[in-house]
Amino acid sequence: SAVISQKPSRDICQRGTSLTIQCQVDSQVTMMFWYRQQPGQSLTLIATANQGSEATYESGFVIDKFPISRPNLTFSTLTVSNMSPEDSSIYLCSVVPSGGLPYEQYFGPGTRLTVT
Amino acid sequence: GIQVEQSPPDLILQEGANSTLRCNFSDSVNNLQWFHQNPWGQLINLFYIPSGTKQNGRLSATTVATERYSLLYISSSQTTDSGVYFCAVEKYNFNKFYFGSGTKLNVKP
Repeated sequence: SAVISQKPSRDICQRGTSLTIQCQVDSQVTMMFWYRQQPGQSLTLIATANQGSEATYESGFVIDKFPISRPNLTFSTLTVSNMSPEDSSIYLCSVVPSGGLPYEQYFGPGTRLTVT
Repeated sequence: GIQVEQSPPDLILQEGANSTLRCNFSDSVNNLQWFHQNPWGQLINLFYIPSGTKQNGRLSATTVATERYSLLYISSSQTTDSGVYFCAVEKYNFNKFYFGSGTKLNVKP
């Protein structure tokens, strides 16, 4: 398994501003993902954070809006840029630990974002 | 991608009752997980179960990969079981997970 922390745990932001969310893991991991969960909805994958290279974005998500960094195997950031109220969601970091099978995913506690 | 359907969408139980949650998926997968999202938003891993049956206390799960479905059984439910249960699948070499829409469970005392 893996112990994952996210900062901040919650924030209230004004529209037009940006927020950077941090994800820290206690061990090196193979894969890191960022998800968005809008109120009352399921999880939607934003992107796969690739170590040392550009993230791989899912359809409907773009780098200008959600820039992602992953400088090493234990840390990643997601920025929500030029925010609008529609960006109010829980943002979750997830990881798949290194070491082969099982390919089991673990989640951080999430960042609850409210945009006013 | 893979379509993942969960049923029922909502479930209300009296404490002590049993329930079965279902997850259907549209393609062959090499990974399936069940999660519980508690009222504070934290996702808890329940089972990694691409096939077969597993049990953990009052919870058990069965995946029949050839028929593309998985079941999560909750016995003697408690109020702490309340929350949303998600099924997520991953197809070999895709390296990403597809989530179902979830089953929202409310266990009343």
